[in-house]
Amino acid sequence: DTAVSQTPKYLVTQMGNDKSIKCEQNLGHDTMYWYKQDSKKFLKIMFSYNNKELIINETVPNRFSPKSPDKAHLNLHINSLELGDSAVYFCASSQDSHPSSYNEQFFGPGTRLTVL
Amino acid sequence: GESVGLHLPTLSVQEGDNSIINCAYSNSASDYFIWYKQESGKGPQFIIDIRSNMDKRQGQRVTVLLNKTVKHLSLQIAATQPGDSAVYFCAEIPRYSSASKIIFGSGTRLSIRP
Repeated sequence: DTAVSQTPKYLVTQMGNDKSIKCEQNLGHDTMYWYKQDSKKFLKIMFSYNNKELIINETVPNRFSPKSPDKAHLNLHINSLELGDSAVYFCASSQDSHPSSYNEQFFGPGTRLTVL
Repeated sequence: GESVGLHLPTLSVQEGDNSIINCAYSNSASDYFIWYKQESGKGPQFIIDIRSNMDKRQGQRVTVLLNKTVKHLSLQIAATQPGDSAVYFCAEIPRYSSASKIIFGSGTRLSIRP
């Protein structure tokens, strides 16, 4: 069974549209994340939720809105898509049992978003 | 500032040889340094981490070295195999940030020659 899953795997859409990417983890983890990876493979954190509460919110346009209905799910909704939003978006999760130490993050397979 | 970078964007290694992937960082105030492996079409996968108070840590076929004097991190892969082909990222967790916040470097692509 896939530990961290994302849907869809590929998403092609027109500029100006609104789209959502879904993420689910069956690891029982408390914390979930969204990362953006650009065409040069640079990977940057966007958001992090712990037990449905937002704990990391990097400098991301407010067109991006994460939603966590429960601690196993973290969805990413994007309004008014722009060309620069084209990237691969990764969801991840971790069990933050030790707040002051590193807790391994498990990544999903990614969603390749192409905005035309 | 927060910055993690790599010396070489690509590395080609003969199968069976050892691979050494290097990383330079600029933020001396980091608690953890981490290596991730990303295979084509997949998400990053944790390889090994090292705490800032350590110089060396070994895993299965991998060794991470941390030189805080020159702010340098390296990943050594012994007896490189075709399955090691991937992009490797070094990353850090800055001190005083959330333990969940990882700053990734730009990645090195490792290719294996048969």
